[in-house]
Amino acid sequence: AQSVTQPDIHITVSEGASLELRCNYSYGATPYLFWYVQSPGQGLQLLLKYFSGDTLVQGIKGFEAEFKRSQSSFNLRKPSVHWSDAAEYFCAVGANAGNMLTFGGGTRLMVKP
Amino acid sequence: DGGITQSPKYLFRKEGQNVTLSCEQNLNHDAMYWYRQDPGQGLRLIYYSQIVNDFQKGDIAEGYSVSREKKESFPLTVTSAQKNPTAFYLCASNIRTSGSYRTDTQYFGPGTRLTVL
Repeated sequence: AQSVTQPDIHITVSEGASLELRCNYSYGATPYLFWYVQSPGQGLQLLLKYFSGDTLVQGIKGFEAEFKRSQSSFNLRKPSVHWSDAAEYFCAVGANAGNMLTFGGGTRLMVKP
Repeated sequence: DGGITQSPKYLFRKEGQNVTLSCEQNLNHDAMYWYRQDPGQGLRLIYYSQIVNDFQKGDIAEGYSVSREKKESFPLTVTSAQKNPTAFYLCASNIRTSGSYRTDTQYFGPGTRLTVL
Protein backbone atom coordinates (compact mmCIF):
# COMPACT_ATOMS: atom_id res chain seq x y z
CA ALA A 1 0.00 0.00 0.00
CA GLN A 2 1.16 3.50 -0.73
CA SER A 3 1.73 6.11 1.97
CA VAL A 4 2.87 9.72 2.27
CA THR A 5 4.65 11.42 5.15
CA GLN A 6 4.97 15.14 5.64
CA PRO A 7 7.32 15.38 8.63
CA ASP A 8 6.65 19.04 9.42
CA ILE A 9 3.21 19.82 10.81
CA HIS A 10 3.90 23.55 11.14
CA ILE A 11 6.51 25.77 9.50
CA THR A 12 7.03 29.50 10.01
CA VAL A 13 9.16 31.55 7.63
CA SER A 14 9.77 35.24 7.19
CA GLU A 15 8.37 36.98 4.15
CA GLY A 16 11.01 36.97 1.42
CA ALA A 17 12.80 33.93 2.80
CA SER A 18 13.13 30.67 0.93
CA LEU A 19 10.87 27.71 1.67
CA GLU A 20 11.18 23.95 1.48
CA LEU A 21 8.34 21.62 2.50
CA ARG A 22 9.25 17.98 2.82
CA CYS A 23 7.35 15.01 1.43
CA ASN A 24 8.36 11.36 1.58
CA TYR A 25 6.37 8.61 -0.06
CA SER A 26 6.23 4.86 -0.05
CA TYR A 27 5.19 3.13 -3.24
CA GLY A 28 6.50 0.09 -5.05
CA ALA A 29 6.46 1.41 -8.60
CA THR A 30 6.94 4.77 -10.27
CA PRO A 31 4.66 7.13 -8.41
CA TYR A 32 2.47 9.92 -9.59
CA LEU A 33 3.09 12.84 -7.22
CA PHE A 34 1.10 15.96 -6.46
CA TRP A 35 1.26 19.06 -4.30
CA TYR A 36 -1.96 20.84 -3.37
CA VAL A 37 -2.55 24.02 -1.38
CA GLN A 38 -5.57 24.75 0.81
CA SER A 39 -6.58 28.13 2.20
CA PRO A 40 -8.69 28.07 5.39
CA GLY A 41 -12.20 26.76 4.78
CA GLN A 42 -11.54 26.20 1.09
CA GLY A 43 -11.01 23.30 -1.27
CA LEU A 44 -7.66 22.14 -2.55
CA GLN A 45 -5.86 23.77 -5.47
CA LEU A 46 -3.27 21.92 -7.50
CA LEU A 47 0.20 23.50 -7.36
CA LEU A 48 2.09 21.01 -9.48
CA LYS A 49 2.37 17.35 -10.40
CA TYR A 50 4.96 14.82 -11.49
CA PHE A 51 4.10 11.94 -13.78
CA SER A 52 7.35 11.27 -15.66
CA GLY A 53 10.25 13.00 -17.39
CA ASP A 54 12.17 15.92 -15.93
CA THR A 55 12.45 15.42 -12.18
CA LEU A 56 12.28 19.16 -11.48
CA VAL A 57 8.69 20.29 -11.90
CA GLN A 58 7.50 23.87 -12.13
CA GLY A 59 4.11 24.85 -10.80
CA ILE A 60 1.91 27.83 -10.24
CA LYS A 61 2.65 30.75 -7.91
CA GLY A 62 6.41 30.32 -8.29
CA PHE A 63 6.56 26.88 -6.67
CA GLU A 64 8.70 23.99 -7.84
CA ALA A 65 9.29 20.44 -6.64
CA GLU A 66 11.99 17.89 -7.25
CA PHE A 67 11.38 14.14 -7.49
CA LYS A 68 14.25 12.14 -6.01
CA ARG A 69 13.68 8.43 -6.48
CA SER A 70 16.70 7.42 -4.39
CA GLN A 71 15.33 9.32 -1.40
CA SER A 72 11.62 8.63 -2.07
CA SER A 73 11.04 12.35 -1.78
CA PHE A 74 9.14 15.08 -3.57
CA ASN A 75 9.97 18.29 -1.71
CA LEU A 76 8.25 21.56 -2.53
CA ARG A 77 10.32 24.74 -2.79
CA LYS A 78 9.88 28.44 -3.34
CA PRO A 79 12.80 30.91 -3.45
CA SER A 80 10.95 33.85 -1.88
CA VAL A 81 7.80 33.47 0.18
CA HIS A 82 4.96 35.99 0.06
CA TRP A 83 2.47 36.61 2.86
CA SER A 84 -0.27 35.23 0.61
CA ASP A 85 1.46 31.82 0.62
CA ALA A 86 0.28 31.20 4.18
CA ALA A 87 -1.90 28.11 3.88
CA GLU A 88 -1.85 24.36 4.35
CA TYR A 89 0.06 22.26 1.86
CA PHE A 90 -0.65 18.63 1.03
CA CYS A 91 1.51 16.13 -0.78
CA ALA A 92 -0.23 13.18 -2.45
CA VAL A 93 0.84 10.03 -4.27
CA GLY A 94 -1.21 8.22 -6.89
CA ALA A 95 -1.15 4.65 -8.05
CA ASN A 96 -1.12 3.60 -11.67
CA ALA A 97 -4.45 1.87 -11.35
CA GLY A 98 -7.72 3.18 -10.08
CA ASN A 99 -6.98 6.90 -9.97
CA MET A 100 -6.53 6.65 -6.23
CA LEU A 101 -4.65 9.28 -4.26
CA THR A 102 -3.15 8.96 -0.81
CA PHE A 103 -2.55 12.23 1.01
CA GLY A 104 -0.02 13.22 3.62
CA GLY A 105 -1.14 14.86 6.84
CA GLY A 106 -0.34 18.35 5.58
CA THR A 107 2.05 21.14 6.54
CA ARG A 108 0.67 24.43 7.78
CA LEU A 109 2.78 27.36 6.60
CA MET A 110 2.81 30.65 8.49
CA VAL A 111 4.56 33.72 7.09
CA LYS A 112 6.03 36.37 9.37
CA PRO A 113 6.09 39.98 8.11
CA ASP B 1 -17.23 28.32 -16.15
CA GLY B 2 -16.45 24.67 -15.57
CA GLY B 3 -15.98 23.43 -12.06
CA ILE B 4 -17.19 21.51 -9.04
CA THR B 5 -19.87 22.88 -6.76
CA GLN B 6 -20.72 21.65 -3.30
CA SER B 7 -23.74 22.65 -1.28
CA PRO B 8 -24.46 23.72 1.29
CA LYS B 9 -21.25 25.42 2.48
CA TYR B 10 -22.26 24.94 6.13
CA LEU B 11 -24.60 22.26 7.45
CA PHE B 12 -25.85 21.60 10.95
CA ARG B 13 -27.38 18.33 11.98
CA LYS B 14 -28.94 16.99 15.11
CA GLU B 15 -27.78 13.65 16.38
CA GLY B 16 -29.74 10.78 14.83
CA GLN B 17 -30.53 12.60 11.60
CA ASN B 18 -29.37 11.68 8.13
CA VAL B 19 -28.09 14.50 5.94
CA THR B 20 -27.14 14.63 2.27
CA LEU B 21 -24.28 16.68 0.87
CA SER B 22 -24.45 17.70 -2.76
CA CYS B 23 -21.61 17.54 -5.27
CA GLU B 24 -22.05 18.56 -8.91
CA GLN B 25 -19.46 18.91 -11.68
CA ASN B 26 -19.75 20.22 -15.23
CA LEU B 27 -16.25 19.17 -16.27
CA ASN B 28 -17.48 16.00 -17.99
CA HIS B 29 -15.28 14.00 -15.64
CA ASP B 30 -15.82 10.27 -15.30
CA ALA B 31 -14.62 9.74 -11.75
CA MET B 32 -15.79 11.42 -8.58
CA TYR B 33 -14.62 11.14 -4.97
CA TRP B 34 -15.64 12.06 -1.43
CA TYR B 35 -13.05 12.86 1.22
CA ARG B 36 -13.31 13.70 4.87
CA GLN B 37 -10.90 16.16 6.49
CA ASP B 38 -10.51 16.58 10.25
CA PRO B 39 -8.54 19.41 11.88
CA GLY B 40 -4.81 18.89 11.53
CA GLN B 41 -5.25 15.77 9.42
CA GLY B 42 -4.95 14.93 5.80
CA LEU B 43 -7.76 13.78 3.57
CA ARG B 44 -9.30 10.35 3.99
CA LEU B 45 -11.26 8.72 1.20
CA ILE B 46 -14.89 7.83 1.96
CA TYR B 47 -16.28 6.64 -1.39
CA TYR B 48 -15.40 6.92 -5.04
CA SER B 49 -17.08 6.28 -8.35
CA GLN B 50 -15.33 5.62 -11.65
CA ILE B 51 -18.46 5.47 -13.75
CA VAL B 52 -22.20 6.06 -13.55
CA ASN B 53 -24.15 3.50 -11.49
CA ASP B 54 -20.98 2.14 -9.91
CA PHE B 55 -19.10 3.11 -6.77
CA GLN B 56 -16.64 1.61 -4.28
CA LYS B 57 -15.89 2.06 -0.61
CA GLY B 58 -12.83 3.98 0.41
CA ASP B 59 -10.92 3.77 3.68
CA ILE B 60 -13.66 5.12 5.97
CA ALA B 61 -17.02 4.24 4.35
CA GLU B 62 -18.83 3.10 7.51
CA GLY B 63 -21.79 5.35 8.29
CA TYR B 64 -21.86 6.90 4.80
CA SER B 65 -23.71 6.11 1.59
CA VAL B 66 -23.55 7.44 -1.97
CA SER B 67 -25.27 7.17 -5.34
CA ARG B 68 -24.13 7.91 -8.88
CA GLU B 69 -27.22 8.07 -11.07
CA LYS B 70 -25.85 10.84 -13.28
CA LYS B 71 -22.32 11.53 -14.50
CA GLU B 72 -22.32 15.05 -13.11
CA SER B 73 -23.68 14.29 -9.63
CA PHE B 74 -22.32 12.30 -6.67
CA PRO B 75 -24.29 13.01 -3.47
CA LEU B 76 -23.05 11.80 -0.10
CA THR B 77 -25.42 10.84 2.72
CA VAL B 78 -24.10 10.95 6.25
CA THR B 79 -26.25 8.54 8.21
CA SER B 80 -27.00 8.34 11.90
CA ALA B 81 -24.65 5.34 12.02
CA GLN B 82 -21.66 7.65 11.56
CA LYS B 83 -20.48 8.14 15.14
CA ASN B 84 -18.43 11.29 14.68
CA PRO B 85 -19.64 13.10 11.57
CA THR B 86 -18.46 16.63 12.42
CA ALA B 87 -15.83 17.38 9.76
CA PHE B 88 -15.04 19.17 6.52
CA TYR B 89 -16.16 17.20 3.47
CA LEU B 90 -14.50 17.59 0.10
CA CYS B 91 -15.67 16.33 -3.26
CA ALA B 92 -13.28 15.82 -6.16
CA SER B 93 -13.39 14.62 -9.73
CA ASN B 94 -11.06 13.66 -12.54
CA ILE B 95 -11.16 12.37 -16.05
CA ARG B 96 -10.44 8.71 -16.53
CA THR B 97 -7.95 8.18 -19.30
CA SER B 98 -9.62 6.22 -22.04
CA GLY B 99 -8.76 2.53 -21.91
CA SER B 100 -6.88 2.70 -18.63
CA TYR B 101 -7.06 3.79 -15.07
CA ARG B 102 -3.98 5.97 -15.17
CA THR B 103 -3.96 8.39 -12.29
CA ASP B 104 -4.73 11.93 -13.32
CA THR B 105 -5.20 15.20 -11.54
CA GLN B 106 -8.11 15.41 -9.14
CA TYR B 107 -9.94 18.73 -8.99
CA PHE B 108 -11.66 19.72 -5.78
CA GLY B 109 -14.83 21.52 -4.83
CA PRO B 110 -14.95 24.22 -2.12
CA GLY B 111 -16.13 21.83 0.60
CA THR B 112 -19.02 21.49 3.06
CA ARG B 113 -18.51 21.91 6.78
CA LEU B 114 -20.83 19.61 8.71
CA THR B 115 -21.44 20.18 12.41
CA VAL B 116 -23.46 17.86 14.60
CA LEU B 117 -25.26 19.66 17.41
